[in-house]
Amino acid sequence: EVQLLESGGGLVQPGGSLRLSCATSGFTFSTYAMSWVRQAPGKGLEWVSAISGSGGSTFYADSVKGRFTISRDNSKNTLYLQMNSLRAEDTAVYYCAKEGGPSDAFDMWGQGTLVTVSS
Amino acid sequence: DIQMTQSPSSLSASVGDRVTITCRASQSINSYLNWYQQKPGKAPKLLIYAASSLQSGVPSRFSGSGSGTDFTLTISSLQPEDFATYYCQQSYNTPRTFGPGTKVDVK
Repeated sequence: EVQLLESGGGLVQPGGSLRLSCATSGFTFSTYAMSWVRQAPGKGLEWVSAISGSGGSTFYADSVKGRFTISRDNSKNTLYLQMNSLRAEDTAVYYCAKEGGPSDAFDMWGQGTLVTVSS
Repeated sequence: DIQMTQSPSSLSASVGDRVTITCRASQSINSYLNWYQQKPGKAPKLLIYAASSLQSGVPSRFSGSGSGTDFTLTISSLQPEDFATYYCQQSYNTPRTFGPGTKVDVK
């Protein structure tokens, strides 16, 4: 069974940092690109960042470029998101998602972890 | 960036109704269009990928169509568990972008 489990969310002050993790199981992790998608309270879905299976290619939304860093450890089947210089508008539930299939859809999602940026 | 729009933004329907949601991309995305269902407090769930392919385990009352810029999600006979918010998403290029969502609630 494919499982994705996020951790690392919490309350952080503006300007602070946080590192999210997404532990996976049930599939060959290194074969698949992975993404982070977030959802601000009461709002829609926003793609944040993606990384290729090897980790050699990374992509970011303009809203987080230069502040967030996506990475992965294929030996631990784990995806990460290092978030620096956090802003109030980064407050959201952060989901990790596996890409798959012929259209690279997000075919599996974690349960999400809440990040709250507030003083 | 490719902009995704959806209509309507919300709709009220009854069990048994046929429901249609449309999604439009700001440029051609071929068939790189996916549909998700999200219930309150839960992660999104993939329903349809590549515009018209049903994800494994998803009931056959869900169907998708379209290519290029215009796409449709249809629920042939709405069931109680289908009241939720539906999002389209393009995977043609990066940044991946989602539509704003369509909330389906009880009439």
